[in-house]
Amino acid sequence: QQQVKQSPQSLIVQKGGISIINCAYENTAFDYFPWYQQFPGKGPALLIAIRPDVSEKKEGRFTISFNKSAKQFSLHIMDSQPGDSATYFCAASNPNTGNQFYFGTGTSLTVIP
Amino acid sequence: ETGVTQTPRHLVMGMTNKKSLKCEQHLGHNAMYWYKQSAKKPLELMFVYNFKEQTENNSVPSRFSPECPNSSHLFLHLHTLQPEDSALYLCASGDQGASYEQYFGPGTRLTVT
Repeated sequence: QQQVKQSPQSLIVQKGGISIINCAYENTAFDYFPWYQQFPGKGPALLIAIRPDVSEKKEGRFTISFNKSAKQFSLHIMDSQPGDSATYFCAASNPNTGNQFYFGTGTSLTVIP
Repeated sequence: ETGVTQTPRHLVMGMTNKKSLKCEQHLGHNAMYWYKQSAKKPLELMFVYNFKEQTENNSVPSRFSPECPNSSHLFLHLHTLQPEDSALYLCASGDQGASYEQYFGPGTRLTVT
């Protein structure tokens, strides 16, 4: 059973546009929600993360929106650039299982000039 | 660089071979992880070591054998693998108890022929 569901599987956005990736979860025990960015040939790199006590976190062009009641969170990339083209993974951490991470299936983002 | 290195970066092995993957972290973390990354699937947690003690083994087949001689080094010993074991194997480190963050290495691309 997949603990974290991510959509869309792939996304194409024009340069300067907004990229939006969504994730949903069921387990209310999750208490930490990171987003990872992965370029070809590299390991995932932590991009931004949020805890459920806040509804939004912004770091530069990247924003996480968190809806605790709906058990959903999303990544918004403002002013998307070709250099943002990568695969993005959401994840959720469960403190009851040693903070084990449960990952989404990933979204391949392509930003076209 | 994330401070987590993995060798080799690419490995091709036959089903009867024995090989080992190596991971080293230079971040002073107390926990290390092995993940398997296959196309269109969530990252699968395989093993967790916390202060050199294995704390998680997610029903991984015995043909995968981890070893953690100290908190900076982690190995994954491979023997009699199957073609479906071909994947990207990622190592990560983190500071359990102090932070939820995990830092990934670049991975080893394994092909089993």
